[in-house]
Amino acid sequence: GAVVSQHPSRVICKSGTSVKIECRSLDFQATTMFWYRQFPKQSLMLMATSNEGSKATYEQGVEKDKFLINHASLTLSTLTVTSAHPEDSSFYICSAQTLAGGTYEQYFGPGTRLTVT
Amino acid sequence: AQKITQTQPGMFVQEKEAVTLDCTYDTSDQSYGLFWYKQPSSGEMIFLIYQGSYDEQNATEGRYSLNFQKARKSANLVISASQLGDSAMYFCAMREGSRQAGTALIFGKGTTLSVSS
Repeated sequence: GAVVSQHPSRVICKSGTSVKIECRSLDFQATTMFWYRQFPKQSLMLMATSNEGSKATYEQGVEKDKFLINHASLTLSTLTVTSAHPEDSSFYICSAQTLAGGTYEQYFGPGTRLTVT
Repeated sequence: AQKITQTQPGMFVQEKEAVTLDCTYDTSDQSYGLFWYKQPSSGEMIFLIYQGSYDEQNATEGRYSLNFQKARKSANLVISASQLGDSAMYFCAMREGSRQAGTALIFGKGTTLSVSS
């Protein structure tokens, strides 16, 4: 089956620093990747949609200068949380989408738990 | 307005009993897809079942079935013969547009299911 990896799985950083999270599709090419954020015991909230080679589309209320998304290849998208603050502590999950048999299928990564101290 | 509503924050069930998790949705699209995911404490999103808006039969996958009532805009998940390993958070999600459209999933707030022996 299709596998999506995220790295790192957990990261602790100090307030004011930047953190990069990688999302890779291991055995398929992902034309689109979605980034979600999830606070404890809450829903997954879509942050942005990124298509390979073009700028990401951010959801309303998501600061594009704070959450930088790069989708440089069909197998890799990165989310960089710039100048992180404790309120950015959350679980970040990516989802990679591919076209298979005429339909779009989405596969989730295992998530990255970010703690900002 | 919320597009996906899950009204049960928590549900409790005994092993081997069946349980129904409620989900209602709101969309003006004629073509859409409904999904259920399981999220254990590890955080990974496990796909359970899918129902397309044009599917006339209710979807089933092993112990999971989806009770799709289009006129009422509901897509309840039924888990038969609950097992201890079913304890997790369950999310209902919707993708508007056809499965050829490739849009992001929108999630409900989730229901925490606890199975006891």
